[in-house]
Amino acid sequence: AQRVTQPEKLLSVFKGAPVELKCNYSYSGSPELFWYVQYSRQRLQLLLRHISRESIKGFTADLNKGETSFHLKKPFAQEEDSAMYYCALLTGGGNKLTFGTGTQLKVEL
Amino acid sequence: NAGVMQNPRHLVRRRGQEARLRCSPMKGHSHVYWYRQLPEEGLKFMVYLQKENIIDESGMPKERFSAEFPKEGPSILRIQQVVRGDSAAYFCASSPTGDLASYEQYFGPGTRLTVT
Repeated sequence: AQRVTQPEKLLSVFKGAPVELKCNYSYSGSPELFWYVQYSRQRLQLLLRHISRESIKGFTADLNKGETSFHLKKPFAQEEDSAMYYCALLTGGGNKLTFGTGTQLKVEL
Repeated sequence: NAGVMQNPRHLVRRRGQEARLRCSPMKGHSHVYWYRQLPEEGLKFMVYLQKENIIDESGMPKERFSAEFPKEGPSILRIQQVVRGDSAAYFCASSPTGDLASYEQYFGPGTRLTVT
């Protein structure tokens, strides 16, 4: 069965420190993975998707099929990065997203 | 474009009552998805609808839950005879097509249902 695991509920880092939000998945098909972000009092929104291989707001994520991981990384955390981050896997023939439980990122000054 | 609209934002129902949650997709979007988020959990897919059709309802509980997306008007998620375990945040998302690999899902602000 498909599953997305985000092992950390809360990740606290200092401003300027590197950030890595972990995501592991379990899926028998060819995975398509996404990171969504929810800033305080805002809607859930797409941050990036692995197929586009782009960097958004300084964040990158590389799909590692060997380790079944899609960790989100940023070299230098900013205060405005504080938010809830969800990893998601496209499943059901491309019809739906399976979400992880989310990681709350807190960037401290 | 106001984005995906959901109402009400907060809904309180007593056990046994009915809850109706509404979702208006973004303009030009004909594909609607409902997700439920229980406390301390991630969003879980419930149902995917296109205008007047249910495409995938594999995440819907077998009883008491139903969804529709009529030709005119918003999509409705209906929960009959609510129980305490139905208390959750319900999110709606829309997209212009069903190809989520190519097109983004846009999420609404959610409806927080509390069953007392």
